[in-house]
Formats: sequence, C-alpha cells, structure tokens
Amino acid sequence: QQQVKQSPQSLIVQKGGISIINCAYENTAFDYFPWYQQFPGKGPALLIAIRPDVSEKKEGRFTISFNKSAKQFSLHIMDSQPGDSATYFCAASKGQGGSEKLVFGKGMKLTVNP
Amino acid sequence: NAGVMQNPRHLVRRRGQEARLRCSPMKGHSHVYWYRQLPEEGLKFMVYLQKENIIDESGMPKERFSAEFPKEGPSILRIQQVVRGDSAAYFCASSPNWHRKNQPQHFGDGTRLSIL
Repeated sequence: QQQVKQSPQSLIVQKGGISIINCAYENTAFDYFPWYQQFPGKGPALLIAIRPDVSEKKEGRFTISFNKSAKQFSLHIMDSQPGDSATYFCAASKGQGGSEKLVFGKGMKLTVNP
Repeated sequence: NAGVMQNPRHLVRRRGQEARLRCSPMKGHSHVYWYRQLPEEGLKFMVYLQKENIIDESGMPKERFSAEFPKEGPSILRIQQVVRGDSAAYFCASSPNWHRKNQPQHFGDGTRLSIL
C-alpha cells in the first residue's frame, strides 16, 4: 500500500515555464508535508514544507498548495531554470507517537530545457 | 558548518560479507533516521534512533540488519551476510532535539552499497 502517491513520474518544461508536481496521501493523521530536491549522487535537500493548517506557502519561486479535504498537495516551480533539473520528492509524516519518519512518494524527474 | 556526514560514500562487498555504514549528524542534532533508496524509487524509512536508544525500527528487515547510535561517535547501520538485494543507496538524516514536533530532517549524501 503506497501511502503517498506522486505524479507525474517525469516532466520536461522549457526555461521560464511553470513546473507542477502533484501528490496525494491516504493517512489523515499526516500533519507535515515537505518537498525534497535531489541531484544525482547527492542526498535529498529540503526545499519547502507545509502543515495542514494553511492552504498555501510560498518561498521564492517555490509554492506549495494544500487541499486537506482532497488529501492532495502540489509543488509549483515558477520561472523554471535549467538548474532546477533534478528529482523532486514529496513526503509526509505525523508528529506523534515519538517517531516522525517520513513517507516518500516515488519521485518526479524534472528536466528544464534551456 | 558541516552537514550530515556519511561514510564511506561508496562501499563494495561480496555476498556474505558485512557492511558498516556510518553517519555523523549535524552539530546539535541528536535524532537520526536511516532510509534506503532503490534505483528509480523513493526513500523508504528503516530506523529512527536517539542517543543510545532505538525509537522506531518498524522499517528494518527482521534479520541481518541492525543499527546503533552510541553516546559517543556516529550512528552505525550494520548489514550482516549481505545479499545482492541489499544493493542500494542508504541515507541518513538528522533533526534537532527541540520539543516541537515535525522538525525538518536534513540528509547526508548517502552511502552507495554494491554487492558483487
């Protein structure tokens, strides 16, 4: 059972375009939703995160939209740049019970063409 | 200002040998998580430790795998009698010991384990 489903699996956009990555979750106990960016040979780097008490959070060119009733959240990358080409993972966790282990989606490979 | 340090970066073992992966958390962090990543897959949780305690090992295989985080020194993920299916990237993440939930987890660059 995959608790966090991510789509699409890959995406190609032109420089300056908008990249959108979607995630859906099943466990309503999740209360923390981070996005990670991973370059080849590197570890995931935290980009931005949201909690379910807000519907949107923006940091620079990155925006998370959160829909609690639909159990969905998405990452929007505005003005996409070739340097944004990487794999993006959504994740979820629940901050209770002593363990805040992250449950990851399978990732989306983004390619931004110059 | 070192981040999470993992070593070795690459490890090659033959079937039946032991693999030891080390993780030093960020300064001031006392919570360590281990994750495994198979090619073209997301990361999967293995174990969560605090100093001298295993808090959650629900993602650890029941046999051959063990983890520790001693009072002094790095956290160690140990895989005994490795098999081909253990080939993967193993990532460690750390988070601070603040009394608030959902602290961000910061990842190291991983250990790529290859089994011959």
